[in-house]
Amino acid sequence: GENVEQHPSTLSVQEGDSAVIKCTYSDSASNYFPWYKQELGKRPQLIIDIRSNVGEKKDQRIAVTLNKTAKHFSLHITETQPEDSAVYFCAAPLWRDDKIIFGKGTRLHILP
Amino acid sequence: DSGVTQTPKHLITATGQRVTLRCSPRSGDLSVYWYQQSLDQGLQFLIQYYNGEERAKGNILERFSAQQFPDLHSELNLSSLELGDSALYFCASSVAPGSYNEQFFGPGTRLTVL
Repeated sequence: GENVEQHPSTLSVQEGDSAVIKCTYSDSASNYFPWYKQELGKRPQLIIDIRSNVGEKKDQRIAVTLNKTAKHFSLHITETQPEDSAVYFCAAPLWRDDKIIFGKGTRLHILP
Repeated sequence: DSGVTQTPKHLITATGQRVTLRCSPRSGDLSVYWYQQSLDQGLQFLIQYYNGEERAKGNILERFSAQQFPDLHSELNLSSLELGDSALYFCASSVAPGSYNEQFFGPGTRLTVL
């Protein structure tokens, strides 16, 4: 069925530590996996994305890894800072319908 | 600022009423998407339009309808409102309809049904 599972739903990490959020998807034809960040009271914004022709992509402190065989992808945030506190959403497309399905989100708390 | 505008910012209405939410996409974007975000919930995809035509449909209730006009702005109509329809409604736009295109979200319309 149409599904993107995201874990954990809530994550608390000490400032400076790393955070990892994982998502699994069901449509094996999916080949594009974006991550959106939504700060409190704000709109979701794309922070990084990966296409299926690569296994990893990095942008400063954030990285995304993709395992197409297992149909899962992960967001990694290193050296976390207070401004990383937000809700993070993964997403994957359903090619048959040309629409994108979002995970339920992970609320990340960075502890001082 | 993403370039996507939504009006109104807040809307308070009563059960049984009908409201219209409006969205203007970024300049040059042909696709518009509507999402519903309830409290502590994810982004529920409602419907997508491309260049005036319905492109994809999510779990949109029959009481809800949408359209995209020739100038590419879009409206989401919610009727026979229920308490459970209270949510943040986001519009997003992208340059083309493929789901691999980045979606730019508007600031949202917060709907409160009393």
